[in-house]
Amino acid sequence: DVKVTQSSRYLVKRTGEKVFLECVQDMDHENMFWYRQDPGLGLRLIYFSYDVKMKEKGDIPEGYSVSREKKERFSLILESASTNQTSMYLCASSFGFNEQFFGPGTRLTVL
Amino acid sequence: GNSVTQMEGPVTLSEEAFLTINCTYTATGYPSLFWYVQYPGEGLQLLLKATKADDKGSNKGFEATYRKETTSFHLEKGSVQVSDSAVYFCALGGRRALTFGSGTRLQVQP
Repeated sequence: DVKVTQSSRYLVKRTGEKVFLECVQDMDHENMFWYRQDPGLGLRLIYFSYDVKMKEKGDIPEGYSVSREKKERFSLILESASTNQTSMYLCASSFGFNEQFFGPGTRLTVL
Repeated sequence: GNSVTQMEGPVTLSEEAFLTINCTYTATGYPSLFWYVQYPGEGLQLLLKATKADDKGSNKGFEATYRKETTSFHLEKGSVQVSDSAVYFCALGGRRALTFGSGTRLQVQP
């Protein structure tokens, strides 16, 4: 079974802090994705990566950056957290641009 | 661009009732279509998929048929259980990533 793990299930940070969310997959997938999930808005793509050191902006990249130094790991960085970044963050991976496998999510609260 | 429209929730049903969750899409070409389910406190899991027109995806008693003429991929189940209570997301595949609908919460009462 494909396994996608995320470093934290719950995280509480203060405004202005730098926040790192880590995601690891164990199936050698070339594609990895970061989404945020908000009530009534579904999932919105923040960034995705189709290879090591390669990244592409999604629909809502403002305020976020990403890093992919190794194939199995994809990090989401909030350079200076703000309250409007309080959300559920979901990581996913795929082989090809079809079926994606998701991690359990990180619920981030920014105070 | 691609978009997915799902019916608003929550949908509240009694156990053993018939379920339909509507999903329509707008896309260029013939994308793959998916239904994902999210149980409380968990990430999304793939429920079923269809890769071409008239394909029927099925899993755990759920079914959905890829209808190109109506650009729809409605989710159905003949008899729901309390354990089916979750949020259901319709999604379509694209060249970059999946495009998701806003999700439909299903509540099944005993």
